[in-house]
Formats: sequence, structure tokens, C-alpha cells
Amino acid sequence: DAGITQSPRHKVTETGTPVTLRCHQTENHRYMYWYRQDPGHGLRLIHYSYGVKDTDKGEVSDGYSVSRSKTEDFLLTLESATSSQTSVYFCATQTPSGALTGELFFGEGSRLTVL
Amino acid sequence: SQKIEQNSEALNIQEGKTATLTCNYTNYSPAYLQWYRQDPGRGPVFLLLIRENEKEKRKERLKVTFDTTLKQSLFHITASQPADSATYLCAFPGAGSYQLTFGKGTKLSVIP
Repeated sequence: DAGITQSPRHKVTETGTPVTLRCHQTENHRYMYWYRQDPGHGLRLIHYSYGVKDTDKGEVSDGYSVSRSKTEDFLLTLESATSSQTSVYFCATQTPSGALTGELFFGEGSRLTVL
Repeated sequence: SQKIEQNSEALNIQEGKTATLTCNYTNYSPAYLQWYRQDPGRGPVFLLLIRENEKEKRKERLKVTFDTTLKQSLFHITASQPADSATYLCAFPGAGSYQLTFGKGTKLSVIP
């Protein structure tokens, strides 16, 4: 299994506060992704990165920003959390060769509750 | 835009039977399609990939088919076991991209 660690695993915060979720990988996978998973919607792509300082928006990027200053770390920031951002967030990685076929390796998820 | 439909939210099946899960898509046919397994409280885990020029792929008790005419993939688990109980997700890339779009998943329960 790819070594993917998400932190924190659980967080409760209040509306309007900033939140940063961290994804750390030890596999040197070049591509990294942030998804959110909600009942009735499945997994939806928020942002992705194809390398250090190379990021782009996914399907549901509004209200989120990302940064990737090192290959192993991909940060997801909610500048001002809203209740609609209550969700389970998954980080995923992918090797360049894997990108031809797209196999993703997922972290264990971060459950965020915005009150 | 492309849509994925996994047409059963939940599927209950008796142990030992074959479970069949369906993934349908609209518009263009993807170059490949993947299936993942997700257990409660865990991240999805990759199971199988099938390319558009492959009709069938097998891995142990798992079998995936890909019918570009019907715009459908079927995922079979033969001789199902209670340990196969999980949510199964299908996914494929968007046109001209690597990013995967996921279906909502089908929750399979194998009853002893």
C-alpha cells in the first residue's frame, strides 16, 4: 500500500474559521488529488497537482485552495469554512505511469464538521 | 458532460451467490474504466482496470466486463462471502484528462 497519511483525521470547527488538511505521502508519487465524499454525491474532485507548484482546479473547487511545495505534501485549505464543507476529505496519489491507467491510492480520509 | 450511474445504491445477496454490480455512463466511451472497493471509514482501494478494447478482465473471484455499445461495465463477484460486503465504486477518466470521475457506489451486503 502507498504510504499516505492524512491529518487531522477528525476535526470539528466553526463557520468562518480557516482549516488546513494535510496529505503526506512517502511513495514519491508525482500526482496528488483531493476529493470530498458526501452521501448522494460520491467522490468529487476538488483540486489536483501534477507536481511541485503545479496545481489545478477540479469539479468542486470553490471555497478551497491548495499548495504543494514538496513532492510529499499536498495541503488543502478552507479559507473560511462553511457548513456546506462538512464532509469526508480524501487525498489520493498516482504515479506518472499510473496516470496512463489512472490507478489511485487513497488515504484514510479526514472527517471535517463545520458547525 | 459525462455522467456515471451505478444503478443500485444497495444490493443484498446470499452467501455463495454471484453478485453483479452495474456501472453505466453517458456520452463518450472512456479509454478505460476502474473498480474500487471502499470499506466503512476507509479510503477506496483499487481492484481492477479494464480498457476499452478488452471485453473482460478477471482477478481471482472478480470479473469485470466493458461493453462500449451498451455504455456499461458489469462487476461480478463469484462465490460471494460476507467479507465481500463493502461499497464498490466505478470510475473513469474524463475526455482528454487523467482525472477520474467516480460513480456514487453500490453498497453490497452478503448475507450468511
